[in-house]
Amino acid sequence: DGGITQSPKYLFRKEGQNVTLSCEQNLNHDAMYWYRQDPGQGLRLIYYSQIVNDFQKGDIAEGYSVSREKKESFPLTVTSAQKNPTAFYLCASSKTGISGANVLTFGAGSRLTVL
Amino acid sequence: EDQVTQSPEALRLQEGESSSLNCSYTVSGLRGLFWYRQDPGKGPEFLFTLYSAGEEKEKERLKATLTKKESFLHITAPKPEDSATYLCAVQYSSASKIIFGSGTRLSIRP
Repeated sequence: DGGITQSPKYLFRKEGQNVTLSCEQNLNHDAMYWYRQDPGQGLRLIYYSQIVNDFQKGDIAEGYSVSREKKESFPLTVTSAQKNPTAFYLCASSKTGISGANVLTFGAGSRLTVL
Repeated sequence: EDQVTQSPEALRLQEGESSSLNCSYTVSGLRGLFWYRQDPGKGPEFLFTLYSAGEEKEKERLKATLTKKESFLHITAPKPEDSATYLCAVQYSSASKIIFGSGTRLSIRP
């Protein structure tokens, strides 16, 4: 079945450590996105990529980095520069639909806790 | 600055009690407005896309409508299984960037 796989589902990190969250899709979608969700809040855009080897900052990119070397993969690194990294991280992908609107398909999420 | 605002933040209804959720957005060229449903601890699931003012879409007990500045998600005779957070998102015509509102947490009591 086609879909998006995020790993790990749960991750604990010590302060000062970098951590990389994996996102893989087999939907043949061109665009991929990373969002952060805090308890009781909506989704805030971290980074997005429309094509391989190209990506754009979202609204809260500071302290995060991404790469897009393959169409299927869009890993997110949470660096030690991110001051409050504890959150639920969601990866999504999309193809361009009618009128250019992109319907997002989401993964199950990765919950990062900084100890 | 592009913004998406949802209201109310939380809504508690009795089973069968119909109501509406609101999503307002700043106008700077709309490519699409989306509604998603999110259950606790899971990724959002797509419900509807609306493209232009006056458009309406329905799915079971849900109906989404769109004007030039806001969208409504109408819930008719809701059931407890409709309890979830409903998220509104907007894509502007200038880019593939998609912005979400903060969501409405809907709780339906039996």
